[in-house]
Amino acid sequence: GENVGLHLPTLSVQEGDNSIINCAYSNSASDYFIWYKQESGKGPQFIIDIRSNMDKRQGQRVTVLLNKTVKHLSLQIAATQPGDSAVYFCAEAPGFQKLVFGTGTRLLVSP
Amino acid sequence: SQTIHQWPATLVQPVGSPLSLECTVEGTSNPNLYWYRQAAGRGLQLLFYSVGIGQISSEVPQNLSASRPQDRQFILSSKKLLLSDSGFYLCAWKKGTLLSGNTIYFGEGSWLTVV
Repeated sequence: GENVGLHLPTLSVQEGDNSIINCAYSNSASDYFIWYKQESGKGPQFIIDIRSNMDKRQGQRVTVLLNKTVKHLSLQIAATQPGDSAVYFCAEAPGFQKLVFGTGTRLLVSP
Repeated sequence: SQTIHQWPATLVQPVGSPLSLECTVEGTSNPNLYWYRQAAGRGLQLLFYSVGIGQISSEVPQNLSASRPQDRQFILSSKKLLLSDSGFYLCAWKKGTLLSGNTIYFGEGSWLTVV
């Protein structure tokens, strides 16, 4: 079945460090991936997306890398700030209508 | 700009009571609409999605149902709540297919506690 999972449930970093959050997916048919940030008690917020015809995409302080060979996705946050503390979810789209989410990684940023 | 509203934000319901969560989207037409559930400290599970009025797809067998009586309205219901229905319910929408720029956007969620 479809499964999107994350390697680390909690990631603790110091303010100013770079953070890397990893995600493995199992559906090789997925061709669209999204990273969401969810703050406590709120709905997920879109961060960045990437299509399967790309292996890297950059946004403001964030970069998503896609390795289709090993079905791996990562989110890199540069110069992590306390406001980046949240749970981060990767999601894959095995079709064009639905997203399948992983269990999430909690990022804790210490001042 | 598009906005999504869902209510109530929190509710505490006894086991066996009915449920109705409502979601509306403004600023767009014919969106795809979604209901997700998130158990405490867990990921998001897709419950239902709808591509149009009266069209509902159920992803998992459960004690819940969904309806779409109007283009931009999506309702999650239950006739008799179970303890296991407790969780954080999220309504979401998108326009068009899942391509860059047409991602899924979420509402602020509704916390349901069944006691």
